[in-house]
Amino acid sequence: NAGVTQTPKFQVLKTGQSMTLQCAQDMNHEYMSWYRQDPGMGLRLIHYSVGAGITDQGEVPNGYNVSRSTTEDFPLRLLSAAPSQTSVYFCASSYGAGADTQYFGPGTRLTVL
Amino acid sequence: RKEVEQDPGPFNVPEGATVAFNCTYSNSASQSFFWYRQDCRKEPKLLMSVYSSGNEDGRFTAQLNRASQYISLLIRDSKLSDSATYLCVSKAAGNKLTFGGGTRVLVKP
Repeated sequence: NAGVTQTPKFQVLKTGQSMTLQCAQDMNHEYMSWYRQDPGMGLRLIHYSVGAGITDQGEVPNGYNVSRSTTEDFPLRLLSAAPSQTSVYFCASSYGAGADTQYFGPGTRLTVL
Repeated sequence: RKEVEQDPGPFNVPEGATVAFNCTYSNSASQSFFWYRQDCRKEPKLLMSVYSSGNEDGRFTAQLNRASQYISLLIRDSKLSDSATYLCVSKAAGNKLTFGGGTRVLVKP
């Protein structure tokens, strides 16, 4: 199993550009989520999904969209990038929302100029 | 006040020594707790869950003190490979996970 994969590993955007961060898992996990990690802030939940076709907002959803058309994939879209979105983005998955173990992808380091 | 707070460190630890650090939480309704380990520029990985009775996994011991609302992690016989950032995580109703900012541990020869 590849586990949770994320692409790209690094990305530099200009303010106002849009892009999609890809996330995929091959563990047949129902629950998937996106976090951002900023220095000293801990991981903060952006959006999450409890299954295909179902998504919901987390703690910091503004400026981001998600969709879940399949169990495996959970892309995160930045609509109009802003310097405040410079961060490390982690995708995570688990067997269910209540599962103790979250499996994280390797992360995407995004810089917005 | 952050919901989950950690001393950012770094805790500089001689190889073979014992190190312990705490994490405080403000949400008294938090139901379960975890420690995740994060190596530099890598993803977090579950280290251990924290049970009410405390639990031990090899050289690692986790304790929960609900009265004072903190959890602790103790590492015995520190190895160079224990150098990492340790993230404290609480889970509340609705399976809401809250991460602390992490405690950095540096084990030196």
